Amino acid sequence: AQSVAQPEDQVNVAEGNPLTVKCTYSVSGNPYLFWYVQYPNRGLQFLLKYITGDNLVKGSYGFEAEFNKSQTSFHLKKPSALVSDSALYFCAVSNQAGTALIFGKGTTLSVSS
Amino acid sequence: GAVVSQHPSWVICKSGTSVKIECRSLDFQATTMFWYRQFPKQSLMLMATSNEGSKATYEQGVEKDKFLINHASLTLSTLTVTSAHPEDSSFYICSARVSGGPYNEQFFGPGTRLTVL
Repeated sequence: AQSVAQPEDQVNVAEGNPLTVKCTYSVSGNPYLFWYVQYPNRGLQFLLKYITGDNLVKGSYGFEAEFNKSQTSFHLKKPSALVSDSALYFCAVSNQAGTALIFGKGTTLSVSS
Repeated sequence: GAVVSQHPSWVICKSGTSVKIECRSLDFQATTMFWYRQFPKQSLMLMATSNEGSKATYEQGVEKDKFLINHASLTLSTLTVTSAHPEDSSFYICSARVSGGPYNEQFFGPGTRLTVL
């Protein structure tokens, strides 16, 4: 069965510092990996995805993620955090194109000024 | 990019009534739409997969007679919560899969907040 783990409920960083939000996954076959961000009472906004190709994926708002097959990880990173990055972040996975996504429990990112 | 809308964005209803939530793909056709449910401070849980012109596929534990899904066209899927009860209060989010293309990406609606009194 597919699963996604986000080991941290909350990540706290100071503005201007680099941030990392962790995600590990378990799927059979090749993974399709996604990161989404959710602001309070809003839907999900797509940040980036990994389907195939370069392991380093660049996405919206300066975020990037690195696919590591051996560690089955897809950590979200940003070199310099902004207060406006404070939100709930979800990692998601599927093992087939177009199938429903399995979401991690989410990580709340809090960026302090 | 592809846009998915949901209507209403929020709804408050009395216990025992039924509520219909619409999910529309505004600028693309979606043969498949997904319905998710999100409890406060929790992850999204897949409820059902809706395919245009056929019956929805429900996840284990989701009552198909309570959560009626209709996908009558390539741009519209509806979720009807029948005889709603307070425990049905939740945030309901749909996503739509773009038909065709090298990868059938999903786009999410903004969600509908349902509160049952």
